[in-house]
Amino acid sequence: GNSVTQMEGPVTLSEEAFLTINCTYTATGYPSLFWYVQYPGEGLQLLLKATKADDKGSNKGFEATYRKETTSFHLEKGSVQVSDSAVYFCALGHNQGGKLIFGQGTELSVKP
Amino acid sequence: EAGVAQSPRYKIIEKRQSVAFWCNPISGHATLYWYQQILGQGPKLLIQFQNNGVVDDSQLPKDRFSAERLKGVDSTLKIQPAKLEDSAVYLCASSLEAAGSQPQHFGDGTRLSIL
Repeated sequence: GNSVTQMEGPVTLSEEAFLTINCTYTATGYPSLFWYVQYPGEGLQLLLKATKADDKGSNKGFEATYRKETTSFHLEKGSVQVSDSAVYFCALGHNQGGKLIFGQGTELSVKP
Repeated sequence: EAGVAQSPRYKIIEKRQSVAFWCNPISGHATLYWYQQILGQGPKLLIQFQNNGVVDDSQLPKDRFSAERLKGVDSTLKIQPAKLEDSAVYLCASSLEAAGSQPQHFGDGTRLSIL
């Protein structure tokens, strides 16, 4: 079946460090891939998406590339800020019906 | 545009009691989803509506959970009777249509605690 696996957290970085959060997926067909971010006490916000192989999604300095050959969608940012502290979820958009299948989330803590 | 509205934000009940959550999606969004997010995990789909019809309720524990979207706009999710394992955040999301490429817009959720 379809599934998403993320690197375990928490991840703790200093401000301006480079961020990578790994995400791999298993899917039938050609799903869309998403990164969502969840700040404390809030719902999920769409961070970026990619709908086909080799697409690169980007937003607010974050980016991720849809790699079909490695079934991966790793999230990267060149220089993190304290305000990036949150939980990040990788998700797969099921091409039958549209439901999202989420990874377990990775908590990021950025220290000044 | 106004986002997805959910209420209440927090609810505390005792096991075996009943509880209901309400969701108003973004105007014009035909597809509505209810997800359950247990602490430390990613959200899992409970039920999906397309307008006022159910598309997917395969993961809904139907012996205790029910949901409706009578007029194809707002929706309610009910739990009766509640169990300790139902403690979670219940998230409502909506999208323009039921397609894997469509981003979903989430409300802030209802945090349910069962005593």
